[in-house]
Amino acid sequence: SQQGEEDPQALSIQEGENATMNCSYKTSINNLQWYRQNSGRGLVHLILIRSNEREKHSGRLRVTLDTSKKSSSLLITASRAADTASYFCATADTGAGSYQLTFGKGTKLSVIP
Amino acid sequence: NAGVTQTPKFQVLKTGQSMTLQCAQDMNHEYMSWYRQDPGMGLRLIHYSVGAGITDQGEVPNGYNVSRSTTEDFPLRLLSAAPSQTSVYFCASSYGQGANTFGSGTRLTVV
Repeated sequence: SQQGEEDPQALSIQEGENATMNCSYKTSINNLQWYRQNSGRGLVHLILIRSNEREKHSGRLRVTLDTSKKSSSLLITASRAADTASYFCATADTGAGSYQLTFGKGTKLSVIP
Repeated sequence: NAGVTQTPKFQVLKTGQSMTLQCAQDMNHEYMSWYRQDPGMGLRLIHYSVGAGITDQGEVPNGYNVSRSTTEDFPLRLLSAAPSQTSVYFCASSYGQGANTFGSGTRLTVV
């Protein structure tokens, strides 16, 4: 069963704007990971945040994690056309490994030049 | 380093045929996994391995077999293909509790 639920399902913004995607999950987790998938391609790892962390940054990406609300958000600042892709959150449950990820259905981001 | 290599990239099977999807990684990762992705869905875990000789089932294992005789290779076997197995299959590898490296996928159609 799908663990995470991303919100929104689709997002369309202008280049230069910020994009925020949210993810909710149901169980206790070890870590939460965000991946990007360009159309028809494999997944690319963006950022991993552990259950004892609240915020992480990587370049134009900012991820927050609220374990009390079982939710996470991914912020992409100053978006570019090349950011157009689907974004997935994936959780590694407590007691499971990162090799047993449970994925959400993804947010499809379109960045209009 | 090539990362995670999947072959073939595309495959069409007839119902009842069998085949093996190949996955190889050159990063000396201990963990490997197989996922399937259906339209509009996230990935679902089929099988995984925590090391050579050790495999276990994921969320949707029925109709698939795996083995792991070496650290590098983790093939996925479809025993008797069914239209419900039409999907895109991704192999992934990881080290410790870290990020996964994914292959580029195999697009399988069963007619």
